[in-house]
Amino acid sequence: EVQLVETGGGLIQPGGSLRLSCAASGFTVSSNHMSWVRQAPGKGLEWVSIIYSDGSTYYADSVKGRFSISRDNSQNKLYLQMNSLRAEDTAVYYCARAGSNGWYVFDYWGQGTLVTVSS
Amino acid sequence: DIQMTQSPSTLSASVGDRVTITCRASQSISRWLAWYQHKPGKAPKLLIYRASSLESGVPSRFSGSGSGTEFTLTISSLQPDDFATYYCQQYNTYSSFGPGTKVDIK
Repeated sequence: EVQLVETGGGLIQPGGSLRLSCAASGFTVSSNHMSWVRQAPGKGLEWVSIIYSDGSTYYADSVKGRFSISRDNSQNKLYLQMNSLRAEDTAVYYCARAGSNGWYVFDYWGQGTLVTVSS
Repeated sequence: DIQMTQSPSTLSASVGDRVTITCRASQSISRWLAWYQHKPGKAPKLLIYRASSLESGVPSRFSGSGSGTEFTLTISSLQPDDFATYYCQQYNTYSSFGPGTKVDIK
């Protein structure tokens, strides 16, 4: 059974850093394209970043230069390193797997982890 | 960047109603469009990909259509489990989501 479990969220001050983790089971992270998607309070979904199976990475303009996506093949985990955090980064962060129907067609999602950026 | 819009933003309906949600892209995205259902506190659920292909396990009362810049999601007979927020997503150029359509009880 495919499962994704995010951890690492919490309360952080503006300008701070946080690393989110996503533990995968039931499939191999490195063989799939994996993304982070977020939802700010009362807002819609926003795609944040992707790491393709070949290791290449892309970011939304809103986080480019501040966030970094990576994976640990030995632990079958996905990460999102978030630096220079801003109030507008406050959101529930989901990791999501792209299945066989498209690089950005997310067939499995985690339950999300809440990041709150506030002083 | 490709901007996505949805209408209406909120839709009040009753069980058994036929429901249609419209999604528009700021430029042509061919058929690279997906639809998701999202309930509070839950993971989003993929319903439709490539504009009209039904994801495995999704009830056949959900259907999608469209190409280019205009797309629709139709629920043929609304069921109690369908009250949720629905998002369209383009994946022609990276990815972006629409603002969502909340379907609530009339």
